[in-house]
Amino acid sequence: SYVLTQPPSVSVAPGKTARITCGGNYVGTKHVHWYQQKPGQAPVLVIYYDRDRPSGIPERFSGSNSGNTATLTISRAEAGDEADYYCQVWDSSSDHVVFGGGTKLTVL
Amino acid sequence: EMQLVESGGGLVQPGRSLRLSCAASGFTFEDYAMHWVRQIPGKGLEWVSGIGWNSDSIGYADSVKGRFTISRDNAKNSLYLQMTSLRAEDTGLYYCAKNPTLRAGYSNDRFDLWGQGTLVTVSS
Repeated sequence: SYVLTQPPSVSVAPGKTARITCGGNYVGTKHVHWYQQKPGQAPVLVIYYDRDRPSGIPERFSGSNSGNTATLTISRAEAGDEADYYCQVWDSSSDHVVFGGGTKLTVL
Repeated sequence: EMQLVESGGGLVQPGRSLRLSCAASGFTFEDYAMHWVRQIPGKGLEWVSGIGWNSDSIGYADSVKGRFTISRDNAKNSLYLQMTSLRAEDTGLYYCAKNPTLRAGYSNDRFDLWGQGTLVTVSS
């Protein structure tokens, strides 16, 4: 089965840029979606189709995807960005939705 | 306002059954594929099952295939998950989630709306 690998944690200073990676075999050939989940809340879509932002998501959130790594970039990080972030793809070989293990972003 | 509200969770003994429901409102439920995604408290997200807009396409995670059944009643704007032969490892918060593509199967799409989840605890 297809596996997406994320770092368990990433730290960033306020105002700096955070990058969260999502690794997978030829993930660059798939559409990657990203979700933000704050404690006690349901996930929220922040990036879809590698780099598109839903309405209401700040421009500080951006995405890229190439080769074996997709990346969620959060510019000018704020305390309110602290959350768990998950990447997600569709695995056509198994007809399964696949999530990465999640990355806890700390802004300190 | 688009909304998904899950119900039906609770404490159940191993080997028993439970049926989860998800009530949709604020959008034309019958036009969209729907899914169940679960999360062990403090852990990551795991896709459980998906169903296309007209129930023609259905899929299950390997961990639940043969034990869980997803279904929908478009007339009642409701999604269901019938869970049988429950195991301790099925414990978690079960979310109902929606795909945004009009009249599509359950595949290759993101989730643009999530419910708040219903907690299932499998324990003796």
